[in-house]
Amino acid sequence: QSVLTQPPSVSAAPGQKVTISCSGSSSNIGNNYVSWYQQLPGTAPKLLIYDNNKRPSGIPERFSGSKSGTSATLGITGLQTGDEADYYCGTWDSRLSAGVFGGGTKLTVL
Amino acid sequence: QVQLVQSGSELKKPGASVKVSCKASGYTFTSYALNWVRQAPGQGLEWMGWINTNTGNPRYAQGFTGRLVFSLDTSVSTAYLQISSLKPEDTAVYYCARETAGGTRDFDYWGQGTLVTVSS
Repeated sequence: QSVLTQPPSVSAAPGQKVTISCSGSSSNIGNNYVSWYQQLPGTAPKLLIYDNNKRPSGIPERFSGSKSGTSATLGITGLQTGDEADYYCGTWDSRLSAGVFGGGTKLTVL
Repeated sequence: QVQLVQSGSELKKPGASVKVSCKASGYTFTSYALNWVRQAPGQGLEWMGWINTNTGNPRYAQGFTGRLVFSLDTSVSTAYLQISSLKPEDTAVYYCARETAGGTRDFDYWGQGTLVTVSS
């Protein structure tokens, strides 16, 4: 049981937009920055979004992040087949004094 | 370019210990904290803790009941994860991950992962 809650799967057609939600509480998302990671099959996670909505160098503008209260959202526009992956949200939990992740969301581009 | 290169796969028996290495290059090793994250087969990411590469001070996630040791050899820019009293449920891919300079538990570079299999 993950501290952060994500939908197990989402799907959309190529070229469309998809959003992935991440729900937490005041001890984690509510008072700390959120990051998002993309994990392609058989590879290590890759940082997509940090500090709620910042993109590292090299990450396309198609990827965006937002946060409101105790929830965060990853948005991906102009979906490509290469975007098929597992996506994880992560943050710090001040009550647990621990890093925490969501359970992951599998994105299928139909 | 920044790289984190981990040691190879390990097969261990229950009760044994394992030591995984993570060699950093392309940046000043002592300027960024290193975190350890594991992923059991078909499961999500689990944060294990972090080590201050400047002071060597480790912080461990609860739930590992003293079985973890994080260490450093700054002379070769390498971090180590040691797990003792291995259990079958410790079977996972173990990742080291560099924390961004902001200290907000964002991980901008990851090692390729080390598969540890615990089986009799």
